[in-house]
Amino acid sequence: QKEVEQNSGPLSVPEGAIASLNCTYSDRGSQSFFWYRQYSGKSPELIMFIYSNGDKEDGRFTAQLNKASQYVSLLIRDSQPSDSATYLCAVYSGNTPLVFGKGTRLSVIA
Amino acid sequence: DADVTQTPRNRITKTGKRIMLECSQTKGHDRMYWYRQDPGLGLRLIYYSFDVKDINKGEISDGYSVSRQAQAKFSLSLESAIPNQTALYFCATSEGTAQETQYFGPGTRLLVL
Repeated sequence: QKEVEQNSGPLSVPEGAIASLNCTYSDRGSQSFFWYRQYSGKSPELIMFIYSNGDKEDGRFTAQLNKASQYVSLLIRDSQPSDSATYLCAVYSGNTPLVFGKGTRLSVIA
Repeated sequence: DADVTQTPRNRITKTGKRIMLECSQTKGHDRMYWYRQDPGLGLRLIYYSFDVKDINKGEISDGYSVSRQAQAKFSLSLESAIPNQTALYFCATSEGTAQETQYFGPGTRLLVL
């Protein structure tokens, strides 16, 4: 059974701080890793994906992947109240549907 | 226009009724998925289809059925709705490449009385 684990939160950070969201996965053969943002009552929307070990930056967002530790994280710099949402980590292992974590709820306090 | 659409957006029904939720996409993707989401339980996969002739059960298929009418259309049916099927339902699509990003529809909020 492939599993993706996330701390459910809530993770509370002050406005302007760095929010760090973490995710671990069980399948060592996992190939691609995704971060989605979901506002309450809305559908998940893709923030970014990462394939290779190391960091990938897109604006205020940085995804970090460590395949040896089976760990992927998302950093949000200069957090804004509009970043308050649930963040879903998802993992792809090849020819099967994405496996989603249950999500971490982030609250950015103004 | 939205790439992935779902109808209806909201539905109230009674126990025992048969209902159908529909999903259409203009992204040209082969793969389509149905999820339900309940508070605290995350997204749970109901059924998925990797092409028109392919249907697969997901984590929680009991009480549900699907039909893949065309590449662009994937319908979810509740044969006899029960109150614990009250949830937010999402359709999603993906390209089927190594990237495998899923794109979600806006969701259908279902209430079974």
